[in-house]
Amino acid sequence: AQKITQTQPGMFVQEKEAVTLDCTYDTSDPSYGLFWYKQPSSGEMIFLIYQGSYDQQNATEGRYSLNFQKARKSANLVISASQLGDSAMYFCAMREGGGGANSKLTFGKGITLSVRP
Amino acid sequence: DVKVTQSSRYLVKRTGEKVFLECVQDMDHENMFWYRQDPGLGLRLIYFSYDVKMKEKGDIPEGYSVSREKKERFSLILESASTNQTSMYLCASSLAGFPYEQYFGPGTRLTVT
Repeated sequence: AQKITQTQPGMFVQEKEAVTLDCTYDTSDPSYGLFWYKQPSSGEMIFLIYQGSYDQQNATEGRYSLNFQKARKSANLVISASQLGDSAMYFCAMREGGGGANSKLTFGKGITLSVRP
Repeated sequence: DVKVTQSSRYLVKRTGEKVFLECVQDMDHENMFWYRQDPGLGLRLIYFSYDVKMKEKGDIPEGYSVSREKKERFSLILESASTNQTSMYLCASSLAGFPYEQYFGPGTRLTVT
């Protein structure tokens, strides 16, 4: 079974509107972390936001927030007030367990977001 | 700022050649990672290292090896390049502990002909 599932096809959003990018995950480990990365057409991967499995509140970073629903095993990224520069591919990723040898991330296949002017 | 650099942005090699991809990070991170990225498949982990001279296989290690002789440098080696290794290769590094986020290099687009 896939550990990280991103099933939305290419997403489109009007500039200045909000958009939600879906991510579901699968793990039996009680300690895990969820990450979102952005990859513009230039290719570099940019870290956006992190949510730990024990965090009581949803993570927020500027215009990015993470809608964490633990029981449903979903970690959707919400981008508010979309900008043209948000057009990119977005990856959800998960770390299971603690650090050291358990620091690796498992990535989803990504979602392409296009912001329309 | 964390900086992860990769030796080449674009590389073209012939089938059967030995290929070295170098990655250097300047933030004293314990962990380093090599991924390949292919359309529709996302990022897949090839190898990672959580200490000097330590390495662990990722999800797709076949046809690859790695070397980490110094903390800041992690090399990916294709012993005998094949056309199915044509891909984008991304290096990343992270601290061993919280918050664990990985910092990525710009990537190397390798073409094997």
